[in-house]
Amino acid sequence: DAEITQSPRHKITETGRQVTLACHQTWNHNNMFWYRQDLGHGLRLIHYSYGVQDTNKGEVSDGYSVSRSNTEDLPLTLESAASSQTSVYFCASSPFSGNEQFFGPGTRLTVL
Amino acid sequence: GIQVEQSPPDLILQEGANSTLRCNFSDSVNNLQWFHQNPWGQLINLFYIPSGTKQNGRLSATTVATERYSLLYISSSQTTDSGVYFCAVEVYDMRFGAGTRLTVKP
Repeated sequence: DAEITQSPRHKITETGRQVTLACHQTWNHNNMFWYRQDLGHGLRLIHYSYGVQDTNKGEVSDGYSVSRSNTEDLPLTLESAASSQTSVYFCASSPFSGNEQFFGPGTRLTVL
Repeated sequence: GIQVEQSPPDLILQEGANSTLRCNFSDSVNNLQWFHQNPWGQLINLFYIPSGTKQNGRLSATTVATERYSLLYISSSQTTDSGVYFCAVEVYDMRFGAGTRLTVKP
């Protein structure tokens, strides 16, 4: 079955380290998204992509970067992790804008 | 940017009761979705409903796009309905409301 996966599911890192979170979808969706969810809040958009080689900044993009070299993957990189980036990160995909988005299981990141 | 407001923020029900959750948004949208986040953190798609009415078992949703609101109805609630319900709308990108935390007591 087609699906969207994230890895790792849990990660603990130290302040200042570079961290990359993986997102892989097998639906062949054009659009992919990264969100973060903090305690007591809804999800906030970090970066998104509407296709290969396309990336765009979302509402809370500072300190994060993404690259899209193929349809299936959109890795999220924290260049220099900060304690404020401790959060749960969700990846999502959709066929096109305005279509239903489907979410991965999430990655819980702790920055010490 | 677009504002998304959900009400009530918290709701406690006895098993078997019905409930209505509301989502107000401040601009015309291309997409509106309802999600249930279960106690394990998983986001489950409930409805993709930019307009109109849909039903899925005990759940139904109605979006009145011209009046910029959506309602999620839960009938005969069960303890497994507990969790947080999110409304999310898309104009240029997806914006989430803060959610309604539902607790269903046996």
